[in-house]
Amino acid sequence: AQSVAQPEDQVNVAEGNPLTVKCTYSVSGNPYLFWYVQYPNRGLQFLLKYITGDNLVKGSYGFEAEFNKSQTSFHLKKPSALVSDSALYFCAVRDSYMEYGNKLVFGAGTILRVKS
Amino acid sequence: NAGVTQTPKFRVLKTGQSMTLLCAQDMNHEYMYWYRQDPGMGLRLIHYSVGEGTTAKGEVPDGYNVSRLKKQNFLLGLESAAPSQTSVYFCASSYPGLGGTDTQYFGPGTRLTVL
Repeated sequence: AQSVAQPEDQVNVAEGNPLTVKCTYSVSGNPYLFWYVQYPNRGLQFLLKYITGDNLVKGSYGFEAEFNKSQTSFHLKKPSALVSDSALYFCAVRDSYMEYGNKLVFGAGTILRVKS
Repeated sequence: NAGVTQTPKFRVLKTGQSMTLLCAQDMNHEYMYWYRQDPGMGLRLIHYSVGEGTTAKGEVPDGYNVSRLKKQNFLLGLESAAPSQTSVYFCASSYPGLGGTDTQYFGPGTRLTVL
């Protein structure tokens, strides 16, 4: 069965520094990978996804993610963190062999704290 | 365009009571989903629907029922609430993408407490 691991419960970074939120996955077949962000007391917002093509995917709010098939990773990155980026980040994967519905499997989430 | 909306936003139930959570989307999406979010566990799929009149079980369906009588609405029911169902419930919808490439859009959530 497919699974996602986010090895860090929390990531702390200073404003203006680059940030990385890690995600590794396990699937049978080609992985379709997603990043979502959740601000306090809000629903999840889509950031970006990898389906195929370039390993570097650009998304909303200046975020990007790097797909690495050999390391089965899909780390979220941003060159310069903002205090407003502080939120809960989820990585998710869909196994391409599922026939109906885009059933996502989510990681446990990583809290990102950006300090000024 | 309101996107995905959920009713109610908060609810407190006593053990054994029943309730229905309503999800509505105005994006003409075929697929709809119900998840629950618990601390340290991410989101887990309860039930989903790939079209009007269809439903299917997800990862944690026990204790829940769903109905999709209209394309824009997806109802989640708890027939006899238990404290283990205390959680935040999220609805999501998506339009089918080729090979499952569709993006899910989420509602704001319903915070349910069962005493």
